[in-house]
Amino acid sequence: DAMVIQNPRYQVTQFGKPVTLSCSQTLNHNVMYWYQQKSSQAPKLLFHYYDKDFNNEADTPDNFQSRRPNTSFCFLDIRSPGLGDAAMYLCATSRDWGEGTGAKNEQFFGPGTRLTVL
Amino acid sequence: RKEVEQDPGPFNVPEGATVAFNCTYSNSASQSFFWYRQDCRKEPKLLMSVYSSGNEDGRFTAQLNRASQYISLLIRDSKLSDSATYLCVVNRVNTGKLIFGQGTTLQVKP
Repeated sequence: DAMVIQNPRYQVTQFGKPVTLSCSQTLNHNVMYWYQQKSSQAPKLLFHYYDKDFNNEADTPDNFQSRRPNTSFCFLDIRSPGLGDAAMYLCATSRDWGEGTGAKNEQFFGPGTRLTVL
Repeated sequence: RKEVEQDPGPFNVPEGATVAFNCTYSNSASQSFFWYRQDCRKEPKLLMSVYSSGNEDGRFTAQLNRASQYISLLIRDSKLSDSATYLCVVNRVNTGKLIFGQGTTLQVKP
């Protein structure tokens, strides 16, 4: 089945110790997204890639970086995790990006990585 | 005013009940509308995309009222397994970015 896969599902790191989360997709979608979701809050978009074009949200801290080496994989790097970065990190994909209606903007999420910062 | 607003609930209903959630959005030019379901500590899952004035999928009916800028989700014959948080999602105009509402929590009780 086509899907979005995230590894690891649970990640524990120490304050200030860099961590990398990974996402892969078999949907062959053009767009990949990283969201941060804290308890009882809506997902918050950090950035997205349209193919190889990187698009950062204005309020995403510099501490968060991303790489997309190919269509299938995308990584989230947190350079110096703080206690406030403990959250669920969700990867999502969509076939396309832009205006209009239709299925192109439907986003499909991976199971998430729950990050704990000690 | 938030771009997408939902009543957080919780909505507590008995099995078999019909329940409706409403969601309002601020930008009249929005074009894509979705309902996602999110179980506790799991990822959001696409429940329905809302096209034109609305659509139906089994026990679930979504309606879009552009004039009043709201979207509704109706669940008929509620099941225990329907217990979850329902997220109303709208695209930001001129982009593919999705704006999520805070979610409405539904608890279906035996």
